[in-house]
Amino acid sequence: EIVLTQSPGTLSLSPGERATLSCRASQSVSSSYLAWYQQKPGQAPRLLIYGASSRATGIPDRFSGSGSGTDFTLTISRLEPEDFAVYYCQQYGSYLTFGGGTKVEIK
Amino acid sequence: EVQLVESGGGLVQPGGSLRLSCAASGFTFSSYWMHWVRQAPGKGLVWVSRINSDGSSTNYADSVKDRFTISRDNAKNTLYLQMNSLRAEDTAVYYCARAPLHSNGWYFDYWGQGTLVTVAS
Repeated sequence: EIVLTQSPGTLSLSPGERATLSCRASQSVSSSYLAWYQQKPGQAPRLLIYGASSRATGIPDRFSGSGSGTDFTLTISRLEPEDFAVYYCQQYGSYLTFGGGTKVEIK
Repeated sequence: EVQLVESGGGLVQPGGSLRLSCAASGFTFSSYWMHWVRQAPGKGLVWVSRINSDGSSTNYADSVKDRFTISRDNAKNTLYLQMNSLRAEDTAVYYCARAPLHSNGWYFDYWGQGTLVTVAS
């Protein structure tokens, strides 16, 4: 099983700042089959990124994904008030597993 | 508009059973693989089960294998999860989720709002 480790656990930032979230895999993720989801309290997750760097339909371009192999990054270029949430990475190259999440909170 | 609406959650005693449903609309349900994913209170996401488009192939997480059964009725546009021998650690919000077409079927482009299952005496 591929284990995904997300860091940091919590990111405290102000609106307008840049957020950089990390997702590290215990072994290489084949074909960059890595997705990112956003989840707000009391809501279902929402797909942001798939294939490590492709934005899902309707996702603003301030969200970007990068990486390959074992190291992946989600970047939010300028935080909007609605971006404060928990973010999960998920690999789907070998069955599927989720990371433990990174909470982006208002500083 | 794609909609997934779960139902059937509730309070059940350890060892009991529950059947979750997920009503789909706004897309051709019979073309898509579907999944169940759960989230214990205050915890992260955990994949539970997956079924292919015609229901002929299923997969389960080890933690639920031999206790849970995923199925679908494409005529009714509905996904099911039959949960037997429930344990306290099965307590969670259960989401149904759709895998996109033209993908390997193992990530999710739409999610339902979830239904809470509580296993307690």
